[in-house]
Amino acid sequence: DAKTTQPNSMESNEEEPVHLPCNHSTISGTDYIHWYRQLPSQGPEYVIHGLTSNVNNRMASLAIAEDRKSSTLILHRATLRDAAVYYCIPAPNYQLIWGAGTKLIIKP
Amino acid sequence: KAGVTQTPRYLIKTRGQQVTLSCSPISGHRSVSWYQQTPGQGLQFLFEYFSETQRNKGNFPGRFSGRQFSNSRSEMNVSTLELGDSALYLCASSLPQASGANVLTFGAGSRLTVL
Repeated sequence: DAKTTQPNSMESNEEEPVHLPCNHSTISGTDYIHWYRQLPSQGPEYVIHGLTSNVNNRMASLAIAEDRKSSTLILHRATLRDAAVYYCIPAPNYQLIWGAGTKLIIKP
Repeated sequence: KAGVTQTPRYLIKTRGQQVTLSCSPISGHRSVSWYQQTPGQGLQFLFEYFSETQRNKGNFPGRFSGRQFSNSRSEMNVSTLELGDSALYLCASSLPQASGANVLTFGAGSRLTVL
């Protein structure tokens, strides 16, 4: 099973871009990379997912390295509401592997 | 469109009792999976049901069981509760898509406290 490595925590200033890295060097060629986030006292929430090329949606952008061994979630303009734990998960193994994620702290 | 609904949201039980938690998935979602979240162990997969059949199971003792009904609603049961079962139990539903592209929608969870 593919394993992921993420920083335990990151801090960012409000209204600045945030780049959250994830290392998934053992990912297989067919595994999608999913990102979820969990706000305090809530269940995880889907953010974005991709396979090879970069992806954008209304919440974030996902930049996937050419060798697919790492990816970066980009929040273009962080707000206080983006303070959460962000999980990077290779799927379909997301049923089995949820690491500790990265706790994102947003400073006003 | 209604989200994933979990009931009850909070409950307190004593050791040795049993508990049943319910999950109503998003309409049209046929896959339901359950997770346990504790501060020490993080989010851990319990099991997944699809079309009333258990498709995958995590590494939990047999005291943890589940089932899915024909309307895709799911229940999980924990028997002979232990203090360590205190946790947030999360349910997630998804459409039956090609493996890997499934997007999970989580409920708010059921917070179980065992005294």
